[in-house]
Amino acid sequence: SQTIHQWPATLVQPVGSPLSLECTVEGTSNPNLYWYRQAAGRGLQLLFYSVGIGQISSEVPQNLSASRPQDRQFILSSKKLLLSDSGFYLCAWTARWGRADTQYFGPGTRLTVL
Amino acid sequence: AQSVTQLGSHVSVSEGALVLLRCNYSSSVPPYLFWYVQYPNQGLQLLLKYTSAATLVKGINGFEAEFKKSETSFHLTKPSAHMRDAAEYFCAVSDPPGGTSYGKLTFGQGTILTVHP
Repeated sequence: SQTIHQWPATLVQPVGSPLSLECTVEGTSNPNLYWYRQAAGRGLQLLFYSVGIGQISSEVPQNLSASRPQDRQFILSSKKLLLSDSGFYLCAWTARWGRADTQYFGPGTRLTVL
Repeated sequence: AQSVTQLGSHVSVSEGALVLLRCNYSSSVPPYLFWYVQYPNQGLQLLLKYTSAATLVKGINGFEAEFKKSETSFHLTKPSAHMRDAAEYFCAVSDPPGGTSYGKLTFGQGTILTVHP
């Protein structure tokens, strides 16, 4: 069966520090991968999605970037964190082929920027 | 562009009472619709989905939802609430296969369900 991992689970970082969040998927190959941010009272916002290694699409301009160095690895980064980057970050995957309509979510990373 | 509106950011019911969480969507093509549940500090779990088959969709934990094209709605219901149903619920929409947004979800703002003993 497929499993999606995210780490760290929680993170407290000072303003201006760098960020690296990692997401990995097991049990499937060639997944589509997604990064979402969930800010308090604001629902889920799609940040990035990827359909393959090195292929990243950004949904909204922001202080963050994403990379996909391996097929089942998706990384969210920032060079300098802002207070507004605080939130709950969720990674998700869908199958590339066949029934690609359902997204499966990881456990999330709680980021607090102070 | 697609959008989802969830009416009521907070819904409170008594244990054993009917649960009704409202979702209306806007889409230029026949949509795929989803309900997800999120427990505190956890990821989202799929409850059910509508993918153009039967309009009444049954999901996990006794939940179901009905797709009503004329009302552009996909409300989530459960006949009898249980304490363990307390969570946040998200409605989401995507395009069907072939659509530009297939596989990408647009979420509503979420509804927090509280269940009282």
